[in-house]
Amino acid sequence: GQNIDQPTEMTATEGAIVQINCTYQTSGFNGLFWYQQHAGEAPTFLSYNVLDGLEEKGRFSSFLSRSKGYSYLLLKELQMKDSASYLCAVTEGSNYQLIWGAGTKLIIKP
Amino acid sequence: DSGVTQTPKHLITATGQRVTLRCSPRSGDLSVYWYQQSLDQGLQFLIQYYNGEERAKGNILERFSAQQFPDLHSELNLSSLELGDSALYFCASSAEQGPFSDSPLHFGNGTRLTVT
Repeated sequence: GQNIDQPTEMTATEGAIVQINCTYQTSGFNGLFWYQQHAGEAPTFLSYNVLDGLEEKGRFSSFLSRSKGYSYLLLKELQMKDSASYLCAVTEGSNYQLIWGAGTKLIIKP
Repeated sequence: DSGVTQTPKHLITATGQRVTLRCSPRSGDLSVYWYQQSLDQGLQFLIQYYNGEERAKGNILERFSAQQFPDLHSELNLSSLELGDSALYFCASSAEQGPFSDSPLHFGNGTRLTVT
């Protein structure tokens, strides 16, 4: 069946690096999205991976291993404004249905 | 600004009532998605429309219905409201039938529904 697992909560220090993992079990995998969501606000698109490897976008990078059903989001030089939930989502099947993880709440401490 | 517009921002109503939430997608986007997010919960997919036609259905209750109009705006109707329906309701849009790298979902700011 469809399943996406992310840690519920993580804590990191301002200026440090944090890696948020996402594992998935789906049939007919197409691609994987990462979104950021501040409390009470709309999710915003961060990255999309369809091929194995690392995609870098400024302070944020996302990695995908399709054979392992695994992805991570790497956040560098953490800032207080990075405190948010990070949502992993996978598209699968011929209709590109989007399956969402429950999200990882990231808390940044000074 | 994502370009997706949702109205109203806030809605307070009583149990048993009916409300309509409205969404205007980004210019050029043909797909509209509706999601429900209860406090500290994940996004629950309700329904998707593409170019006026229902394309995918999630965990949408029978008390809820939606449609997409010829001008591509969409409405989500919630009836016989219960306390448990209190949540943030997000609309999202994408250019294509499904989300891709050059057509990710863009979310509106949501409608916060409170049922008392």
